[in-house]
Amino acid sequence: ILNVEQSPQSLHVQEGDSTNFTCSFPSSNFYALHWYRWETAKSPEALFVMTLNGDEKKKGRISATLNTKEGYSYLYIKGSQPEDSATYLCAFVLNAGNNRKLIWGLGTSLAVNP
Amino acid sequence: GAVVSQHPSWVICKSGTSVKIECRSLDFQATTMFWYRQFPKQSLMLMATSNEGSKATYEQGVEKDKFLINHASLTLSTLTVTSAHPEDSSFYICSARMDNSPLHFGNGTRLTVT
Repeated sequence: ILNVEQSPQSLHVQEGDSTNFTCSFPSSNFYALHWYRWETAKSPEALFVMTLNGDEKKKGRISATLNTKEGYSYLYIKGSQPEDSATYLCAFVLNAGNNRKLIWGLGTSLAVNP
Repeated sequence: GAVVSQHPSWVICKSGTSVKIECRSLDFQATTMFWYRQFPKQSLMLMATSNEGSKATYEQGVEKDKFLINHASLTLSTLTVTSAHPEDSSFYICSARMDNSPLHFGNGTRLTVT
């Protein structure tokens, strides 16, 4: 059974705090790792697609790292703002030949208090 | 950016009736569309993958005769839940993708079967 685990399940921080959370995935048959932000009543929005071990990507105050050998990715938010409140989902893309499947974590629900 | 429109956003129907959910890519041609279902406190679960002009590929455990998927054009895929039962009540969300880009999601449909 292929599992993608995200921790913590939920997180409450104060405005201005920096925070990070984890996505753990199988270390074999890796193709890519996706991060999405899902705000309430909106559609999930892609943040990053990561493919290379050691990769680090940044988008404004949000950045992510990838370790495919040990099977984890970290998402960092610097100086959290209330508008960062959302559920952050990661998805592991399994390399199964022509049929690549996304396996989703449960998400980390972030609440940023003003 | 790429926009995916899904409707209806929510629907309540009686047991035994059928419900159709539409997913449209508004400003791009989606070679592949995915249909997901999410039950409370569970992760997104892929139901089926549909490619334009061909039959959908269903995940194990998903009844293809119950969840009819039609992908008649590069911009439209529909999911019809036939003879709906209360256990089909769930959140259904579609996503579309061009080649190997990240997924672009619709807003989802909350289905309640009474």
